[in-house]
Amino acid sequence: KNQVEQSPQSLIILEGKNCTLQCNYTVSPFSNLRWYKQDTGRGPVSLTIMTFSENTKSNGRYTATLDADTKQSSLHITASQLSDSASYICVVSGNDMRFGAGTRLTVKP
Amino acid sequence: DAGVIQSPRHEVTEMGQEVTLRCKPISGHDYLFWYRQTMMRGLELLIYFNNNVPIDDSGMPEDRFSAKMPNASFSTLKIQPSEPRDSAVYFCASSFSGLSYSNQPQHFGDGTRLSIL
Repeated sequence: KNQVEQSPQSLIILEGKNCTLQCNYTVSPFSNLRWYKQDTGRGPVSLTIMTFSENTKSNGRYTATLDADTKQSSLHITASQLSDSASYICVVSGNDMRFGAGTRLTVKP
Repeated sequence: DAGVIQSPRHEVTEMGQEVTLRCKPISGHDYLFWYRQTMMRGLELLIYFNNNVPIDDSGMPEDRFSAKMPNASFSTLKIQPSEPRDSAVYFCASSFSGLSYSNQPQHFGDGTRLSIL
């Protein structure tokens, strides 16, 4: 069983709408949680990095939250744009690095 | 800043051939990572270096895979002999820090798409 579970697997929304992606993990010990955006045919790009003591971190229209007690994180995208269409990958580090399978987001006009 | 540079972008070769993937990290970064990405398995960390020294190669699938970092500005990932199941996208990334207790991002190259026939 993967120690990092992302949901939903895929998501389609209309341009301008908000959405939230989920990441639940069982990795222990915990060091940090990273969200990456990966456009088709490109390498992942770091959006946010959160350590144990951080609850929220924003990067423009992207806001990540972390609840270390429940081992849950979310990535909220506000006022989506067509360029937000990508895969979003959650990565949790502890003694090693564990990857989620990603959420494929499609933003339609 | 040119970012992490990988070459070639695409490689198609026959089973049994040797494959060498190349990576130039961002200048000044002291950590370098090699990843593999497939539809079935997603992203996997293969090996990472700190100051040109391999730190953890537990993700390397088998002895056919080897990685070197002869200097701070160059690394290679070699597969010999290659097999069809090695087909994947291979990414190189670099950063100022390692995996844990860090708020430094990893910067990825755009990958090498490898197809073994």
